[in-house]
Order: sequence, then C-alpha cells, then structure tokens
Amino acid sequence: NFMLTQPHSVSESPGKTVTISCTGSSGSIASNYVQWYQQRPGSAPSTVIYEHNQRPSGVPDRFSGSIDSSSNSASLTISGLKTEDEADYYCQSYDSSNQVFGGGTKLTVL
Amino acid sequence: QVQLVQSGAEVKKPGASVKVSCKASGYTFTSYYIHWVRQAPGQGLEWMGIINTYSGSTTYAQKLQGRVTMTRDTSTSTVHMELSSLRFEDTAVYYCARLYGGNSFGNFDYWGQGTLVTVSS
Repeated sequence: NFMLTQPHSVSESPGKTVTISCTGSSGSIASNYVQWYQQRPGSAPSTVIYEHNQRPSGVPDRFSGSIDSSSNSASLTISGLKTEDEADYYCQSYDSSNQVFGGGTKLTVL
Repeated sequence: QVQLVQSGAEVKKPGASVKVSCKASGYTFTSYYIHWVRQAPGQGLEWMGIINTYSGSTTYAQKLQGRVTMTRDTSTSTVHMELSSLRFEDTAVYYCARLYGGNSFGNFDYWGQGTLVTVSS
C-alpha cells in the first residue's frame, strides 16, 4: 500500500523559513498531485497547497510547495514564519482507489 | 457559498452503529464527490471512503470494508455515513469533505465542521 511519511515535528523561530518533507513509499510521487493541509486545534483542516504547488486564494505567498523526484518527496516551505503558522500540517496524495494522508507534522513557532 | 453541515455529536456503546449526516449547500450537489475522513483524539487524518453523489457508487478504505456504508439523498443534498459494530478505537471526529473540481481523488476544497463520535460502555 502507498504511504506518505512526514517528520513528527519541526520547530523554528518567527521570521525564519521552515521546510516540511513528505516522502512517498512507492511509485513516483510526481505522478499524482500532492496537497498540503493546515489544521489548527479544534478546527477542520484547510488547504494551503494543492496540485503540488498551487495556492488557494487567501493563502499567503509565504507558503510554497515543490516536488523532488530524485528523493520521491514533496515539500512544504513556509517563509517569514509567524506565530499564527503554528499548527499541524498534513500532506496528502492518492493512488488508484484511495486518498492517502501523511502522518502529520506539528510545527512549533517559538 | 459552499457549506457542508454535519449532524451533532453522538455517544454509542460498543457493538452499536452510528449514522452521521452531511448536508451540502451552495453548489450543484451531484457534480462533486464527497469523502469521509476521521481523526482519533490526538492522532492524524484517516481516509474512510468516497461516494459519487451522482451515481451513488462507493469505494471504502480496506480497513473499514464490511463496517462502513455511505449513501446519498439527492432530494436533500445530504450524504450519510454509517459505521457499524463500533469499537472503542472508532472514537474520533468524523469529517465529510468535498473533492475539488469534480474529480474523484485529489484536493479537498471544503470540509464539514466535524462530528465527534464517542464509543463508550
């Protein structure tokens, strides 16, 4: 079964840049679109990046997504970190018959 | 505006069944697939399955096959998710989510507010 692996947690200071990785277990991660969701405590997830590197309207351009086929991984980069970016982040993709989520990464901005 | 409004919290005993509803508004109901995703306390997101709101066809996560049933009522633009033979580990917040762009898999562009299902003896 296709799986996505994320680091459990990352931390960085306000104003800095952080990158969260998401590694695919099999096949080419570039073959199916990768999404990234932000989830704050007590709220439903919301999309910050879709289709590898697209930003929904209202998401600041501090958020960007990329794919690295050589490592079979996707990355979410957040620049100019703000305390409000502190949240859980999930990558998500799919195979022929399943949506697949990574395990989630807790971002701490301190 | 697009909205997915879910039914309220439930408390069930082990072995019982629970049915959660998700009422859609603000768009053409049958043009978009609906998925269900759950999240156990302090845990990550788990995909449960998908329903084609036009045809009613479904695909379920292998882990839940035989226990989960998703249906839709086009007259009320509502999707239902029923989970049977409940276990303590089914305690979770259950979300419905719309798939972006009329695709079957990909980005969830709208989510319901979540429904807490607690399995307790």
